[in-house]
Amino acid sequence: AQSVAQPEDQVNVAEGNPLTVKCTYSVSGNPYLFWYVQYPNRGLQFLLKYITGDNLVKGSYGFEAEFNKSQTSFHLKKPSALVSDSALYFCAVRDQDFGNEKLTFGTGTRLTIIP
Amino acid sequence: DVKVTQSSRYLVKRTGEKVFLECVQDMDHENMFWYRQDPGLGLRLIYFSYDVKMKEKGDIPEGYSVSREKKERFSLILESASTNQTSMYLCASSSPGGRVEPQHFGDGTRLSIL
Repeated sequence: AQSVAQPEDQVNVAEGNPLTVKCTYSVSGNPYLFWYVQYPNRGLQFLLKYITGDNLVKGSYGFEAEFNKSQTSFHLKKPSALVSDSALYFCAVRDQDFGNEKLTFGTGTRLTIIP
Repeated sequence: DVKVTQSSRYLVKRTGEKVFLECVQDMDHENMFWYRQDPGLGLRLIYFSYDVKMKEKGDIPEGYSVSREKKERFSLILESASTNQTSMYLCASSSPGGRVEPQHFGDGTRLSIL
């Protein structure tokens, strides 16, 4: 079985400060990990993914995420937050060893950037 | 760019009605998915399909069925709508295989069952 936990429902950050959105996962084998962003009344947009290799993954809009196998975490980060980063963020996992395309999503974290 | 189009942004139906939600993708993707999104629960997979006329149950298939007669179109059917099926429904598509492509999402259908 595969699962994802996003421990914070809401994260508030001042504009210009660094931001972190937390994600931990559980899979039987090795994970593929994804971050998506959702703006109001829109579908999910892909930000970045981890497949293998370098633990620091860079994605769209200046976001990056760090894969930590020992802590089973994949936290989303950005060095300097913008007001336009305010949105709902979802982490998702897929088990590499399961041979199917099913993604399991976390419950989402609402990020608010305060001007 | 991949485009996933859901036929309705907002839909209001009555209890007991048969409801059809339509999704079309323009990238020749083999994989298509239906999710529902509820506050505090994230996205939950209802059904998915790897090919035409092929379907597999996701995590919450009860009360739903699907149809995939053409590769580009994946329909979600609520056989007899109930109020607990009021939700945001999201369709997604992806290509299979070793490159691990992300799923691409439509803008969603907000369905209200009265």
